[in-house]
Amino acid sequence: RKEVEQDPGPFNVPEGATVAFNCTYSNSASQSFFWYRQDCRKEPKLLMSVYSSGNEDGRFTAQLNRASQYISLLIRDSKLSDSATYLCVVEAGGSYIPTFGRGTSLIVHP
Amino acid sequence: GAGVSQSPSNKVTEKGKDVELRCDPISGHTALYWYRQSLGQGLEFLIYFQGNSAPDKSGLPSDRFSAERTGGSVSTLTIQRTQQEDSAVYLCASARERGEQYFGPGTRLTVT
Repeated sequence: RKEVEQDPGPFNVPEGATVAFNCTYSNSASQSFFWYRQDCRKEPKLLMSVYSSGNEDGRFTAQLNRASQYISLLIRDSKLSDSATYLCVVEAGGSYIPTFGRGTSLIVHP
Repeated sequence: GAGVSQSPSNKVTEKGKDVELRCDPISGHTALYWYRQSLGQGLEFLIYFQGNSAPDKSGLPSDRFSAERTGGSVSTLTIQRTQQEDSAVYLCASARERGEQYFGPGTRLTVT
């Protein structure tokens, strides 16, 4: 089993839709979690950290489920500009090396 | 404020040549990471620097790859005797200590 797994997609949704991605991780000692977005041929950019209590930033909500070892990202009212690849990142306690998922591709169409 | 910068942005080199890639992290960030990303692939961790500690080189794919970080700031990734499979985008990221990383725009390396 891969350390961090994501559905590669693509998720193809119309503007205004709500879309959710999940990311599963295998190391139960994982302590830090993040979502990044990466536009085509660009560098990854931090979208949000994922806290135990969840995290919301405008249209974006991230949740952590430690029992089932997954994190989720919910995007409400999708915009064309949300089209990108969303990367899940997990850091195990005691390790400074983050593990990146392969990413989930989102395409928002008019 | 200034973000992470990398140079060159593009590098085309002949197989067998050595290349040096440079990364200027965000001022005050003690953690610095190097990754590479091949077309359509995920990020592959290469090496991690934290302050004055010995770097974690566990991700370097072969002894042709090396990196140094001078004065706790600028870092250089060196690839000796380049091979075609080294062609990729090399990304540098910095963080305050760990956690939230800020990436540079990358160096696109093409080995012909």
